[in-house]
Amino acid sequence: GQQLNQSPQSMFIQEGEDVSMNCTSSSIFNTWLWYKQDPGEGPVLLIALYKAGELTSNGRLTAQFGITRKDSFLNISASIPSDVGIYFCAGQDSGNTPLVFGKGTRLSVIA
Amino acid sequence: KAGVTQTPRYLIKTRGQQVTLSCSPISGHRSVSWYQQTPGQGLQFLFEYFSETQRNKGNFPGRFSGRQFSNSRSEMNVSTLELGDSALYLCASSFSSATGELFFGEGSRLTVL
Repeated sequence: GQQLNQSPQSMFIQEGEDVSMNCTSSSIFNTWLWYKQDPGEGPVLLIALYKAGELTSNGRLTAQFGITRKDSFLNISASIPSDVGIYFCAGQDSGNTPLVFGKGTRLSVIA
Repeated sequence: KAGVTQTPRYLIKTRGQQVTLSCSPISGHRSVSWYQQTPGQGLQFLFEYFSETQRNKGNFPGRFSGRQFSNSRSEMNVSTLELGDSALYLCASSFSSATGELFFGEGSRLTVL
């Protein structure tokens, strides 16, 4: 089945640093999404991307839909302690098909 | 607007037992999806219901089943529990699943002993 390769698996950064993580796939997706999961909570949608090449921001977060439709990246600028959590990428083949999730990037922020 | 509510939040079962988990979606949302989350495998899709019909099904054995009621509430059932079924079971709702924008509940953490 379809799989998403998300990297890095984990990262430790200093508060104030910028963060970059990415997701790649061997197959094409027509929608890319990024979710964040805090401890003890369910994932929360951060950014949704619907068009190849699209670059979208949400506050300090910026995500891009790769032009090949096989990858996406998420950047977080000027990290703060509340950025701690697990970030998941997800791809959707077409409308009404299930999301395929990456295995997540665990972010730790050192104050 | 109330979020997605899952019950119970935590439960412990023994091998061979069965379990039923419940999910109340956001009001107005007709699509409910279920995912299994484990440390090694991440989020794995179980099934999706829309207007009481199973629209998509993941690659899980028949011991895993679900249903959706006319008020969009959904339940999933796991029969003959195995140790490997220990996981966080997440329910997510959406108005339609066309956009991929899912709203997740906090999950039901199942431990099988």
